[in-house]
Amino acid sequence: EIVMTQSPATLSVSPGERATLSCRASQSVSSNLAWYQQKPGQAPRLLIYGASARATGIPARFSGSGSGTEFTLTISGLQSEDFAVYYCQQYNVWPTFGQGTKVDIK
Amino acid sequence: EVQLVESGGGLIQPGGSLRLSCAASGFTVSGNHMSWVRQAPGKGLEWVSIIYSGASGSATYYADSVKGRFTISRDESKNALYLHMDSLRAEDTAVYYCARTPPAAGNYFDYWGQGALVTVSS
Repeated sequence: EIVMTQSPATLSVSPGERATLSCRASQSVSSNLAWYQQKPGQAPRLLIYGASARATGIPARFSGSGSGTEFTLTISGLQSEDFAVYYCQQYNVWPTFGQGTKVDIK
Repeated sequence: EVQLVESGGGLIQPGGSLRLSCAASGFTVSGNHMSWVRQAPGKGLEWVSIIYSGASGSATYYADSVKGRFTISRDESKNALYLHMDSLRAEDTAVYYCARTPPAAGNYFDYWGQGALVTVSS
């Protein structure tokens, strides 16, 4: 099983600032990496697939990068609706998720 | 519009059985790989099972934690996905989501249902 490790566990950011979230895979997953946003009481929402491609309807302030074992999700100019938990997921083999990064208001 | 709506969750005693349903609209379940993903209270996401599209042979696969106890299936006439769960344990307590893999894509999930809560407790 490929283990996904996200850091930090919690990120405190002021509205309008940039948030940088990290995700590391225990072995290479190529570019088979997705990011999701989840708000309390809601299902996850796909943000990024293929490590860097934005899903339909996702604002340009969300960007993904990386390949192999190191990945980053950047949210530029955080808006109030962006405060949530973010998960990475590899799909190079059977899907596995990171433990999540909570982005909260500083 | 693509929609997924789960039903069938509830409180069940350890060792019991339960079947979750996921009604799909806006696309055909047999034309896509479909998965169940669960989330224990206050925890992260765990992939549970997948059924491949009909064109890919309808193969099914399971996470080790549920293998031999859970069965995924679909009904093309109802355009629905199911998860039959046997020998339930306390650690199976979670919100269960059905999720769609986009056509001709890797196993990530572009649409999710709202979730069904399964509580295993005596």
